[in-house]
Amino acid sequence: AQSVTQLGSHVSVSEGALVLLRCNYSSSVPPYLFWYVQYPNQGLQLLLKYTTGATLVKGINGFEAEFKKSETSFHLTKPSAHMSDAAEYFCAVSEENYGQNFVFGPGTRLSVLP
Amino acid sequence: GAGVSQSPSNKVTEKGKDVELRCDPISGHTALYWYRQSLGQGLEFLIYFQGNSAPDKSGLPSDRFSAERTGGSVSTLTIQRTQQEDSAVYLCASSPGTRRTGELFFGEGSRLTVL
Repeated sequence: AQSVTQLGSHVSVSEGALVLLRCNYSSSVPPYLFWYVQYPNQGLQLLLKYTTGATLVKGINGFEAEFKKSETSFHLTKPSAHMSDAAEYFCAVSEENYGQNFVFGPGTRLSVLP
Repeated sequence: GAGVSQSPSNKVTEKGKDVELRCDPISGHTALYWYRQSLGQGLEFLIYFQGNSAPDKSGLPSDRFSAERTGGSVSTLTIQRTQQEDSAVYLCASSPGTRRTGELFFGEGSRLTVL
């Protein structure tokens, strides 16, 4: 069964600093990987996803993530944090099997300090 | 609208009462999920519907929880004899189908408070 871990339940960065949110997964088959963002009192929306092909994927709002199979990681980065990036970020993994296809990590709350 | 619609957005109920939460997925999406998000917690999978197949109920926490999906579209999550620990945001999501590349499209959730 697949699982997702996110190191750090809360990350704080200064405005303009690098954002790095960590995600590691376990999967018995090649995974499809996702990052979702949740702003306060809203549902989740997709930031980016990796399916096949290029391991560095770019998403909305200047975020990108790199799939590293050898490290079973899919860390999310953004070169320069903006105040509007403050939100909860969830990493998720998907496998093709019957039933529940998506497993979410516990989430990382990103705070951006002025 | 074009997105996933959930109602009510907020529900306050007394312990022991039954509640129904509704989800209207994106038209044409065959997969529908319910998740529970407790305060400060991640997403807890509850149930998954895929087309006309039998639902995956493996995440339902107790027999007080049930869900149905009528006509392959609208879904209702029912919680009987609510308890205070049921207080959470209940999120619904839909997806185009079984393809692994399908992302989930989430509604804004139904916030349940049990007094």
